[in-house]
Amino acid sequence: EDKVVQSPLSLVVHEGDTVTLNCSYEVTNFRSLLWYKQEKKAPTFLFMLTSSGIEKKSGRLSSILDKKELFSILNITATQTGDSAIYLCAAGWEKTIFGAGTRLFVKA
Amino acid sequence: GAVVSQHPSRVICKSGTSVKIECRSLDFQATTMFWYRQFPKQSLMLMATSNEGSKATYEQGVEKDKFLINHASLTLSTLTVASAHPEDSSFYICSASGQPLVDEQFFGPGTRLTVL
Repeated sequence: EDKVVQSPLSLVVHEGDTVTLNCSYEVTNFRSLLWYKQEKKAPTFLFMLTSSGIEKKSGRLSSILDKKELFSILNITATQTGDSAIYLCAAGWEKTIFGAGTRLFVKA
Repeated sequence: GAVVSQHPSRVICKSGTSVKIECRSLDFQATTMFWYRQFPKQSLMLMATSNEGSKATYEQGVEKDKFLINHASLTLSTLTVASAHPEDSSFYICSASGQPLVDEQFFGPGTRLTVL
């Protein structure tokens, strides 16, 4: 059965902390792993990872994929209150399996 | 990034009414569109995938006669919830991918459906 598991389910940190969000996957037709940020409504696309070991960066966010271990991490450095959101990981492509998400709360 | 719009953003209707939700890609050709639903405090659930000009592929457990999807053009897909009931109340989100952004998915803002 295809599945995507995220951990932790929730996380509370202080501004300035660095956080690492985890995503493991088992999908039969893997093509890419995607990270999204969801605040009040629809998700916002963050990263798409298709190759192992190549880090993608966008400002304070970065992500990397390990296709051997079927695992990805999303790092956020120097967290800000605006980073508070649910971070979703998804794997596959035509059939995209979403994880349950990690709810991040950044305290001022 | 590419822009995907949804209309309406919110709809409240009586039980038994059919509701149509539109998803449009505003600045790219969406060869593939995806429809999701999300219940409160739950993750997204993929309902169906549609390719322009062909029938949608529904996920297991999703009734195709209940959730009618049409993807008639490269910029528009519609989801019609036929004879909606209170249990259909949910947040419906579409996403799109296509030329030239074939390796990315862009989400619409979502539609909140409340069936009384």
